[in-house]
Amino acid sequence: ETGVTQTPRHLVMGMTNKKSLKCEQHLGHNAMYWYKQSAKKPLELMFVYSLEERVENNSVPSRFSPECPNSSHLFLHLHTLQPEDSALYLCASSEGFFQTGSTGELFFGEGSRLTVL
Amino acid sequence: AQTVTQSQPEMSVQEAETVTLSCTYDTSESDYYLFWYKQPPSRQMILVIRQEAYKQQNATENRFSVNFQKAAKSFSLKISDSQLGDAAMYFCAYRGNQFYFGTGTSLTVIP
Repeated sequence: ETGVTQTPRHLVMGMTNKKSLKCEQHLGHNAMYWYKQSAKKPLELMFVYSLEERVENNSVPSRFSPECPNSSHLFLHLHTLQPEDSALYLCASSEGFFQTGSTGELFFGEGSRLTVL
Repeated sequence: AQTVTQSQPEMSVQEAETVTLSCTYDTSESDYYLFWYKQPPSRQMILVIRQEAYKQQNATENRFSVNFQKAAKSFSLKISDSQLGDAAMYFCAYRGNQFYFGTGTSLTVIP
């Protein structure tokens, strides 16, 4: 098993669809993240969960809804998205959420390429 | 807010040659970490090298090394003996109380 796995790898959806992205980490980490990656822009942090509690929500539209049922799994529920939401969505994990003494190195999944028609 | 700037959107290097990717950052924090991540086409982003700000010695990982200039807030990546597998997007990242990423540099390796 690779460290962080994401499914699906590719997703095409209409603006009225509801879909979900899934992320699973096998590293025993306590923090998980959703990032949005668009061309020629820095990675945008969307959500952070630490020990299954949401600790960051960077003004993300409500059409994106995260869920973290346990420390190994993270979901991103998608609802009535817009074409500008098309991007690569990256899941990442780290030992802890920027805890002292830890480098907080992020381990990434391969990403889910989302296209909104 | 902290910012990370990568001023080279694209770079190319001849196989077996050396290339340097530049990165500057802005921060008022004294304790932080810096990273270079590599993202090959359609593959996951992986850590190349990390640097603790309190360490003066530049980090080295095999063919990869950094030139960390704390006062200048500069953190460049040097790739020696470039290989075809080094072709990828390279992202500079700063970690203080959260991560900040640059816009990336696309590296092409010419056989």
